Amino acid sequence: GQNIDQPTEMTATEGAIVQINCTYQTSGFNGLFWYQQHAGEAPTFLSYNVLDGLEEKGRFSSFLSRSKGYSYLLLKELQMKDSASYLCAVRDGDYKLSFGAGTTVTVRA
Amino acid sequence: DVKVTQSSRYLVKRTGEKVFLECVQDMDHENMFWYRQDPGLGLRLIYFSYDVKMKEKGDIPEGYSVSREKKERFSLILESASTNQTSMYLCASSLRGQADNSPLHFGNGTRLTVT
Repeated sequence: GQNIDQPTEMTATEGAIVQINCTYQTSGFNGLFWYQQHAGEAPTFLSYNVLDGLEEKGRFSSFLSRSKGYSYLLLKELQMKDSASYLCAVRDGDYKLSFGAGTTVTVRA
Repeated sequence: DVKVTQSSRYLVKRTGEKVFLECVQDMDHENMFWYRQDPGLGLRLIYFSYDVKMKEKGDIPEGYSVSREKKERFSLILESASTNQTSMYLCASSLRGQADNSPLHFGNGTRLTVT
């Protein structure tokens, strides 16, 4: 089976940095995705990593270490609108994505 | 922009009813998926399809079936609804690709309550 772990909740202050960790043990690996999901809305794609290293996209960055089965999503210069759930997902074959339970981030003023 | 449309935002059904959840995408994507999302469990894959008339079981297919007669439409069927199928159901689509960064595009979800 697939095992994808991430913290349940995190709280941070507006303007700060938050790092959301994700560890995975899956039967295969063909890419790791991060999604953002605001309450009551559909998940939206944030980032993709398939090779080791850091991918930067504006205020958001994502890191992958395949040997450690580890990724993190870094959110910089936090804004109130960043309050949401962040979902880590691993593609373990050609098509399927398996998801972690999600991390709810609360940004406080 | 890719649009994935789910026919109902909210549904209330009785135990034992046959329930159809419909999903349509407008970007000619080959792959389509049905997930359910429950608090503390995240998104769990029910079924997916990588081509018309093709279907594959996901992690929790029991009690569900699917139909893909046309490329743009993927239906989830609850043969006999039960209370443990009360959940948020999310449909998604993606381009075909075996080793690319093609992300899933999600619909807004159908919140199903079975009483």
